[in-house]
Amino acid sequence: DAGVIQSPRHEVTEMGQEVTLRCKPISGHNSLFWYRQTMMRGLELLIYFNNNVPIDDSGMPEDRFSAKMPNASFSTLKIQPSEPRDSAVYFCASTLGSSSYNEQFFGPGTRLTVL
Amino acid sequence: AQSVSQHNHHVILSEAASLELGCNYSYGGTVNLFWYVQYPGQHLQLLLKYFSGDPLVKGIKGFEAEFIKSKFSFNLRKPSVQWSDTAEYFCAVNSFSSNTGKLIFGQGTTLQVKP
Repeated sequence: DAGVIQSPRHEVTEMGQEVTLRCKPISGHNSLFWYRQTMMRGLELLIYFNNNVPIDDSGMPEDRFSAKMPNASFSTLKIQPSEPRDSAVYFCASTLGSSSYNEQFFGPGTRLTVL
Repeated sequence: AQSVSQHNHHVILSEAASLELGCNYSYGGTVNLFWYVQYPGQHLQLLLKYFSGDPLVKGIKGFEAEFIKSKFSFNLRKPSVQWSDTAEYFCAVNSFSSNTGKLIFGQGTTLQVKP
């Protein structure tokens, strides 16, 4: 059974370029979460969706960041324009249902480096 | 606002030593508590969780955690660590009343076990 799939696994880009990270949640899961992990700030929730609808985007750092979930099996996190301080590992996670009891299943992450 | 604090940022132990990692949270209501582990180069995996009932919960790989409500703590323990336990450990909490899957993570503790 496939877990959460993220692509690309690694991304190196130059400052000012647009970056798009992709996530495919586990089939049947209807909640999806985007996290950012850095040494300085640890693991931060950026945004989460329930049934494809953004529920809480208070963790999105600024307008350069945007996320979409056009259908139940796909989500994107876009950074435009990218900056060196965006360098981090970005994780996607999904759960079955939206209650607080549900375990989140994490993807392998995308390591983003902005030069 | 909810927050999670992990006191130890970096722990170094020898094999067979006992482990205790501290986790405290700030939230006055009912919470669900989790410990996740991230092995080098891998994604986060659930170690154990507490929702209600017996405050001593057992997880995978011989880990356990004790919920002490009066201390707002959920410390992780293992009687005898192995080299393969080298990883980063994250404590997380979500609010039962919010009924969402939104997790607040601690900063993480890096455990290094020397063979």
